[in-house]
Amino acid sequence: DQQVKQNSPSLSVQEGRISILNCDYTNSMFDYFLWYKKYPAEGPTFLISISSIKDKNEDGRFTVFLNKSAKHLSLHIVPSQPGDSAVYFCAGPANAGGTSYGKLTFGQGTILTVHP
Amino acid sequence: EPEVTQTPSHQVTQMGQEVILRCVPISNHLYFYWYRQILGQKVEFLVSFYNNEISEKSEIFDDQFSVERPDGSNFTLKIRSTKLEDSAMYFCASRPTTGDYGYTFGSGTRLTVV
Repeated sequence: DQQVKQNSPSLSVQEGRISILNCDYTNSMFDYFLWYKKYPAEGPTFLISISSIKDKNEDGRFTVFLNKSAKHLSLHIVPSQPGDSAVYFCAGPANAGGTSYGKLTFGQGTILTVHP
Repeated sequence: EPEVTQTPSHQVTQMGQEVILRCVPISNHLYFYWYRQILGQKVEFLVSFYNNEISEKSEIFDDQFSVERPDGSNFTLKIRSTKLEDSAMYFCASRPTTGDYGYTFGSGTRLTVV
């Protein structure tokens, strides 16, 4: 089964600078990864995805990079805004090799704080 | 924008009591899920539901748990006899098709077992 790990529990950046959130995974067999953002007392909100056939996906201020040889992905937020302050989770299919019925496994989350 | 709706937002129950958490997934979605997050821990998968039956469940989802889609819109999670360790945020999620990454999560129900 797939495991995803976010080794940085927190990140603090200045408004306008770049935020880089990191995620490592264990199993080379996957179809996609997802990044979610979560505010207190709310459910995770989908941010951006990346499929296994790409190494980059961009959506506005958010870009996800995938390094398959290192089993590593990162989320870049440029420029960071105070409203981006939240917990960020990476998630991927829990079952090796594919989608199954879509069971996801989540990282531990990284708390991003963007200071004005 | 379509939403996944969960009720109640907060439920307090006594240990040993039954609780039912309710969810209304997005109407054209076919896959439904329950996840939970114990305070300070990861979001963890409980169960997936497709075509009116459980398609996969985790080791957490034991005989005390059940899910139901009683009509065309609701999707419920029942815990028969709650334990203190069931206290968590419970999230319902839905997804249109296998090929769509667009999981949508509800805002969650905070279950507190006392």
